[in-house]
Amino acid sequence: QVQLQESGPGLVKPSQTLSLTCTVSGGSISSGDYFWSWIRQPPGKGLEWIGYIYYSGSTYYNPSLKSRVTISVDTSKNQFSLKLSSVTAADTAVYYCVAIDSYIDPWGQGTLVTVSS
Amino acid sequence: QSVLTQPPSVSAAPGQKVTISCSGSSSNIGNNYVSWYQQLPGTAPKLLIYDNNKRPSGIPDRFSGSKSGTSATLGITGLQTGDEADYYCGTWDSSLSASYVFGTGTKVTVL
Repeated sequence: QVQLQESGPGLVKPSQTLSLTCTVSGGSISSGDYFWSWIRQPPGKGLEWIGYIYYSGSTYYNPSLKSRVTISVDTSKNQFSLKLSSVTAADTAVYYCVAIDSYIDPWGQGTLVTVSS
Repeated sequence: QSVLTQPPSVSAAPGQKVTISCSGSSSNIGNNYVSWYQQLPGTAPKLLIYDNNKRPSGIPDRFSGSKSGTSATLGITGLQTGDEADYYCGTWDSSLSASYVFGTGTKVTVL
């Protein structure tokens, strides 16, 4: 079955851009079965949906983050990526890549990104 | 800024039953399937219930889901210490132009 794995820096300086990549295995990102998405969870807090990309390249973002978020897909590498610009300490969180249909499954294991100088 | 409202915590003794409510609106729960996710301490959330009341393979029938109008409910019977976790509901929301929204989360404690 499909498995997801996040990768990227665990520490980002304030005002810089957070960049993460999700590698999809066990299935093709071009299958059209899912919306490939990012979700984050600040320490001790709840879940926040960031946005999604379809294999065709169409995207939709959380309105509260829209001005700072870009999600892209590389079908040749079976990967999709997240860029979040102008980060602050409030962006410190565990970031999960996930596959969404009418439900979210599977989830990546998550990666902690800390924003600090 | 969760759109769906859950109780912060519920608790019961081993073997007992707990229910967790998830309240939303016509733009989310009222017109979309609801899912439930279990997050054990230090781990990623895991799908527990999908399409309101279906259980993925491997999820015991102690876990059940239901939906009525703009609310959904997760039930856990025969409570076990291993059920101590945070539980979240989730669904699509059409008022936010196809955003996926989560509940505020509920901590289940086994006394």
